[in-house]
Amino acid sequence: DGGITQSPKYLFRKEGQNVTLSCEQNLNHDAMYWYRQDPGQGLRLIYYSQIVNDFQKGDIAEGYSVSREKKESFPLTVTSAQKNPTAFYLCASSTWGGSTEAFFGQGTRLTVV
Amino acid sequence: QKEVEQNSGPLSVPEGAIASLNCTYSDRGSQSFFWYRQYSGKSPELIMSIYSNGDKEDGRFTAQLNKASQYVSLLIRDSQPSDSATYLCAVHSGYALNFGKGTSLLVTP
Repeated sequence: DGGITQSPKYLFRKEGQNVTLSCEQNLNHDAMYWYRQDPGQGLRLIYYSQIVNDFQKGDIAEGYSVSREKKESFPLTVTSAQKNPTAFYLCASSTWGGSTEAFFGQGTRLTVV
Repeated sequence: QKEVEQNSGPLSVPEGAIASLNCTYSDRGSQSFFWYRQYSGKSPELIMSIYSNGDKEDGRFTAQLNKASQYVSLLIRDSQPSDSATYLCAVHSGYALNFGKGTSLLVTP
C-alpha cells in the first residue's frame, strides 16, 4: 500500500536531548513537509523540501533541523534549542507543482519529561 | 503573513441536518483550496479539494469557492454522528499549505 509512515507514534524526550522523528513515503512524491500542531491550534509549517538535497525553513524552524538525502525520506530532528517541543508532529507529502493535495502520515506525539 | 481564518466552534447540528463550515483567506493569489477532517488524536484526512469558483460535490460533501470574496465553504448534507470531528481549511500559499485553526463539528443523534 502506498502511503506515508511516521515513527515512532509516541516519543518521550528528556530536557536537553535531541530526538529524531522519522518520515518515509512510497508515493513517489517530490515534496515533503513537516508541520507542528498544538492543542486547539492549526498546523504550523516547520520545514519543507521540494527536491532531494534541498529544503527550506517554514514559519517556525527555530530549534529544528531536517535532511533530505533520499526522495522517500525526510527526518526531522528536534534539538535542545527548541524551548517548547511538546506537540503533535505531522509529516506530509505531495507532488510538486503547487496545486495538488498533500497527504499526511499518522503523526508523532512528542512529550518532554 | 498569509492568514486562513475559521470559526473555532463548536458547531452543533442534529443528525440528518446540513452542516455549513466557512473559511476566509488573505492571499488573493491563492489558487488551491482544501478541506481536511481530523478526528481527535489522529492526523488530518483530505476530504475535498477545489480550484475553480463555484461548487464541487462529492457524495454528501460540497465545497464552494468564491475567489472574489476570498471565501471557501464546506457543506455536509445528512450529517451523521461519525462526521463529528475538526474540519481544517487549507490554502496553498505557493510552496506549502497554510492551515486555519479548524472548526469543531458535533453531530448530535
